[in-house]
Amino acid sequence: GQQVMQIPQYQHVQEGEDFTTYCNSSTTLSNIQWYKQRPGGHPVFLIQLVKSGEVKKQKRLTFQFGEAKKNSSLHITATQTTDVGTYFCAGFRSNYKLTFGKGTLLTVNP
Amino acid sequence: GAGVSQSPRYKVAKRGQDVALRCDPISGHVSLFWYQQALGQGPEFLTYFQNEAQLDKSGLPSDRFFAERPEGSVSTLKIQRTQQEDSAVYLCASSSLLGETEQFFGPGTRLTVL
Repeated sequence: GQQVMQIPQYQHVQEGEDFTTYCNSSTTLSNIQWYKQRPGGHPVFLIQLVKSGEVKKQKRLTFQFGEAKKNSSLHITATQTTDVGTYFCAGFRSNYKLTFGKGTLLTVNP
Repeated sequence: GAGVSQSPRYKVAKRGQDVALRCDPISGHVSLFWYQQALGQGPEFLTYFQNEAQLDKSGLPSDRFFAERPEGSVSTLKIQRTQQEDSAVYLCASSSLLGETEQFFGPGTRLTVL
């Protein structure tokens, strides 16, 4: 079945440093979603990418969808302590079933 | 506005007990999902409802797991004869549209089986 892999599993940065997490799928994805889960919280939707090569920005966050629609990345510029949490990518296996990666836990040292 | 709510937030059960977890989706949301999230892992799909119809239950780990949504709104996930490996956070999510859209997650129920 479809596998969604994320690296790194953990990332610790100093406040102000940049951060990137990568997501790879074993199969082509129709689209990909990104969620953020704060410690002790629940996943919160960040964005959905649909088109091959798509790039979307949300303030300091930049999301990319690969040309082959099998990989994606999330880049945060100048991290802040409020960015702490686990970032998940998720791809659709059908028109409703999401497969989540294991996530990247980001910690930020103030 | 009100988001997805789940109850109880925490549940401790002795092995062999039955438990029932409740999910109140956002009003009017057609699609409802249950996920299981183990510590340090991403959410794993359990089952999907479109209104009151359970269209996919392929992720339910065993026949001890049962979910229902009889009136197309509130949903209950029931686990019979709980086992220690059932310990996890159970997340409910809903979405307003059919298909590949944003899902709104509830706070989850943390189940601990002793």
